[in-house]
Amino acid sequence: DAKTTQPPSMDCAEGRAANLPCNHSTISGNEYVYWYRQIHSQGPQYIIHGLKNNETNEMASLIITEDRKSSTLILPHATLRDTAVYYCIYNSGGSNYKLTFGKGTLLTVNP
Amino acid sequence: NAGVTQTPKFRVLKTGQSMTLLCAQDMNHEYMYWYRQDPGMGLRLIHYSVGEGTTAKGEVPDGYNVSRLKKQNFLLGLESAAPSQTSVYFCASSYVGQVPYEQYFGPGTRLTVT
Repeated sequence: DAKTTQPPSMDCAEGRAANLPCNHSTISGNEYVYWYRQIHSQGPQYIIHGLKNNETNEMASLIITEDRKSSTLILPHATLRDTAVYYCIYNSGGSNYKLTFGKGTLLTVNP
Repeated sequence: NAGVTQTPKFRVLKTGQSMTLLCAQDMNHEYMYWYRQDPGMGLRLIHYSVGEGTTAKGEVPDGYNVSRLKKQNFLLGLESAAPSQTSVYFCASSYVGQVPYEQYFGPGTRLTVT
């Protein structure tokens, strides 16, 4: 199974950047890192994914270390609506499409 | 686009009863998935389908059956419900291709088995 390690919980002040770490030391060279989030028991929502290079979209930025053994999801200006459980996952895509969800990190954004 | 929809949203069953959960997607996705989520846990894959007429077992398939008779629908059946199947069930769908595509999730079905 593709296992990742994330802190169980983090806090962030509203308006500040939230930096969520993930360790994926067993990742292979062709495996992508994905981030999803789940807001209060809703269905998970895709945020971003990357392979080697840093990525940015309208929701977040993804920083992947050069050895690819860890990554950080950055929410640049966290809002109360970003309070959620954030999941870091990796897989190779293509015919390997099954995502393995761990327990994730509960990010609480405080006013 | 409605995206991924699930029916019903809530259900209470007695032990031994049967039911079918319906998942529908209007994005023409090839792949569809059923997950369950227990309190404080991540999602676990029950069954999945890579196309119409094909299904496969995931991580926790026991006690469930599935069918994909139409591309847009994926049904999850419980033939004889047990209290251990009390959970929130999520359906998801995705494209298939060389570049991995994200999975789109439905809103979930909360099932309680008494």
